[in-house]
Amino acid sequence: GNSVTQMEGPVTLSEEAFLTINCTYTATGYPSLFWYVQYPGEGLQLLLKATKADDKGSNKGFEATYRKETTSFHLEKGSVQVSDSAVYFCALRGETSGSRLTFGEGTQLTVNP
Amino acid sequence: NAGVTQTPKFQVLKTGQSMTLQCAQDMNHEYMSWYRQDPGMGLRLIHYSVGAGITDQGEVPNGYNVSRSTTEDFPLRLLSAAPSQTSVYFCASSYLRTGGGTEAFFGQGTRLTVV
Repeated sequence: GNSVTQMEGPVTLSEEAFLTINCTYTATGYPSLFWYVQYPGEGLQLLLKATKADDKGSNKGFEATYRKETTSFHLEKGSVQVSDSAVYFCALRGETSGSRLTFGEGTQLTVNP
Repeated sequence: NAGVTQTPKFQVLKTGQSMTLQCAQDMNHEYMSWYRQDPGMGLRLIHYSVGAGITDQGEVPNGYNVSRSTTEDFPLRLLSAAPSQTSVYFCASSYLRTGGGTEAFFGQGTRLTVV
């Protein structure tokens, strides 16, 4: 079946540091890949997505590239802010999964001033 | 535009009690789903529905029932609450997949504690 593995957290960074959160997946064919973000006390919201190999999703300074050869979709940001503190979830929708999403464990990011 | 609305936001139950978590969406989405969020385990799918009158089980359906009598509403029922059901519950909705990148919209969650 489909699965998503995220780097273990939590992650603590200083403001303006570089961020990488690793995400790898297992799925047949060409799934669609997503990053969702959950701010404290809120539900999840879509951060970015990529639907085919070599696509790069980007939003709010965050980027992730769909790498079929390494089955990865790592999230990066060049300079984090305190307001980026949140939980980040990597997710996939498989080719044969209909509308079902499979989520990774989530990574808690804390950015200190 | 309300999006996905869940009620209540917080609930404490005693073991053996029953309750219903409400979820409503106003985007005319066909697909609705319930997840539970537990530390270190991400979100796990409980039940889902692809349209009114159609429901199916996800990964962790035991102890939960759902129904879908309208497009808008998708309530989750706990039949006899157990401490293992202490969790944060999220309802989500989306259009049925017309392309892989279809976005799912989430409610704000219900934090449930069973004592």
